[in-house]
Amino acid sequence: SQQGEEDPQALSIQEGENATMNCSYKTSINNLQWYRQNSGRGLVHLILIRSNEREKHSGRLRVTLDTSKKSSSLLITASRAADTASYFCATVTNAGKSTFGDGTTLTVKP
Amino acid sequence: ETGVTQSPTHLIKTRGQQVTLRCSSQSGHNTVSWYQQALGQGPQFIFQYYREEENGRGNFPPRFSGLQFPNYSSELNVNALELDDSALYLCASSLMLDSGNTIYFGEGSWLTVV
Repeated sequence: SQQGEEDPQALSIQEGENATMNCSYKTSINNLQWYRQNSGRGLVHLILIRSNEREKHSGRLRVTLDTSKKSSSLLITASRAADTASYFCATVTNAGKSTFGDGTTLTVKP
Repeated sequence: ETGVTQSPTHLIKTRGQQVTLRCSSQSGHNTVSWYQQALGQGPQFIFQYYREEENGRGNFPPRFSGLQFPNYSSELNVNALELDDSALYLCASSLMLDSGNTIYFGEGSWLTVV
């Protein structure tokens, strides 16, 4: 099974609401990265959080990391229709190997 | 724009044929990874190259092979294509100073095997 597993698989919200996605993993990591993918396109890097960090912000994005629970969350505040996409977490080991989950599909309704 | 370019963007091959996909890394990056992404799934790690040497491989058969060139561009070759090889193939580059570096993806190559 995947190292990183996102939850929920699908999320549908209204514009202006907040969206929270979770990622769980199994083994030790160096860092965890969140990506966005629009349908049929490449992955766009959103944010990287290192294993010694607990929280990071970037614009409307807030990422937390709990290494004791081996989990991370991505919060998108004040969502917009343009945020509609699939979101993936990738865990990166100390050897530089990255593993992705199957993603959360976010739909933001105008 | 990530600075990672892939070609071709789309292609159709027949079962049993061979395919070569190409990737130009972001300038200054010495590490390239290839991923296969089937519809509705996350990217699956195929292998990684660091300074022209394979530096890790996922659960893919030997008919998936790769190369990294001195300018850090890369190729993914797949022999004896099977229908299940139909997927989006993603190339990603990074700078392996330590593993805490951002991975940048290209737009991918869509392969359809018929």
